[in-house]
Amino acid sequence: GAVVSQHPSRVICKSGTSVKIECRSLDFQATTMFWYRQFPKQSLMLMATSNEGSKATYEQGVEKDKFLINHASLTLSTLTVTSAHPEDSSFYICSASPRGLISQPQHFGDGTRLSIL
Amino acid sequence: KNEVEQSPQNLTAQEGEFITINCSYSVGISALHWLQQHPGGGIVSLFMLSSAKKKHGRLIATINIQEKHSSLHITASHPRDSAVYICAVRSRSGGSNYKLTFGKGTLLTVNP
Repeated sequence: GAVVSQHPSRVICKSGTSVKIECRSLDFQATTMFWYRQFPKQSLMLMATSNEGSKATYEQGVEKDKFLINHASLTLSTLTVTSAHPEDSSFYICSASPRGLISQPQHFGDGTRLSIL
Repeated sequence: KNEVEQSPQNLTAQEGEFITINCSYSVGISALHWLQQHPGGGIVSLFMLSSAKKKHGRLIATINIQEKHSSLHITASHPRDSAVYICAVRSRSGGSNYKLTFGKGTLLTVNP
């Protein structure tokens, strides 16, 4: 079945560091990938929609200069948390569906737990 | 009020019991997802529904579009079913884009 791989699974780093998270669709092409954030005991919240070959669409309240998204190929989207601060500590997870087809279920990565000291 | 409300927030059951988790939503949707999130955080898609009912093994998902309500049922529950179950609705977010809006999840614990 369709698989989405997310890397790394866990990051612990100092405040001010930039952190890159990769999301890969392993056996299908994904024109659209989604990035979510989940704080403890909260719902998953959509941060941005990553579109291959064009600019990402950010949800209200998400700083595009803080969370850089690059979707350079049909199988890879990256989220870079720039100059991370402790309040950016969260669980980040991506999802994708084959060719962005809305008739297909979303496939999720295993998530990245980010801890900023 | 959240666009997606789930109940109960927490549910503890004995092995073998029949489980029901409910989801109500307040927006127009094109589909509804039931997801399972394990303690490590990974998420598995269980069902994607746009009408009626789907069944997969011991899991059954129903939806009533008019009442904006869906239920996830687990028959003959087992400790390995212990996880957070999340309801998510898919709606248009502008242009040809769509997005998922998530409920807060229901933490299910099945005791042996």
